Amino acid sequence: KAGVTQTPRYLIKTRGQQVTLSCSPISGHRSVSWYQQTPGQGLQFLFEYFSETQRNKGNFPGRFSGRQFSNSRSEMNVSTLELGDSALYLCASSPPVGTGNSPLHFGNGTRLTVT
Amino acid sequence: QKEVEQNSGPLSVPEGAIASLNCTYSDRGSQSFFWYRQYSGKSPELIMFIYSNGDKEDGRFTAQLNKASQYVSLLIRDSQPSDSATYLCAVNVNGANSKLTFGKGITLSVRP
Repeated sequence: KAGVTQTPRYLIKTRGQQVTLSCSPISGHRSVSWYQQTPGQGLQFLFEYFSETQRNKGNFPGRFSGRQFSNSRSEMNVSTLELGDSALYLCASSPPVGTGNSPLHFGNGTRLTVT
Repeated sequence: QKEVEQNSGPLSVPEGAIASLNCTYSDRGSQSFFWYRQYSGKSPELIMFIYSNGDKEDGRFTAQLNKASQYVSLLIRDSQPSDSATYLCAVNVNGANSKLTFGKGITLSVRP
């Protein structure tokens, strides 16, 4: 079974621009979560989508947004990029509750550098 | 503020030794606990999860949970150089395993 796929792997943007990252979950997984990882703050939860609806949200500004499509693929968007947005952005999917323990499975991430 | 604390590292052990990684959490409502391993430049991969008090063993790995003390640990027996990585403790509070609070991680180095 294919794992979580994130594209692109690397991005370089300048301050003020916007960026869109893409994530395809493991087949059959309907929940997609996004995390930001930085050396200073570690891994932090951004938001989770399930059945095209945002189900949970972390403590990030409104510049960070996401959406999920009917095929469970998800995108996250960051507008008006700041230098501090430079990070590894990780997407994770999890199987439906009740199909056994359902921990997160992470993709390889998108490394975003803002200059 | 829900917090997950991991004891400061880095941790260095000789090959064949037992590595003990510790984690404490602040929210007594926490329900499930995870250990992820992250190699440099790679994404986190799940090693173990535990929901009930006590020990859970999987090969060379044992997770230990003590909810009364709000403490979860990971023991790695017969440590190998390939175990050298950053280990992340994660805790879920709200009943769904999608929103995890992670510790900052501890870097383990296994010396040949």
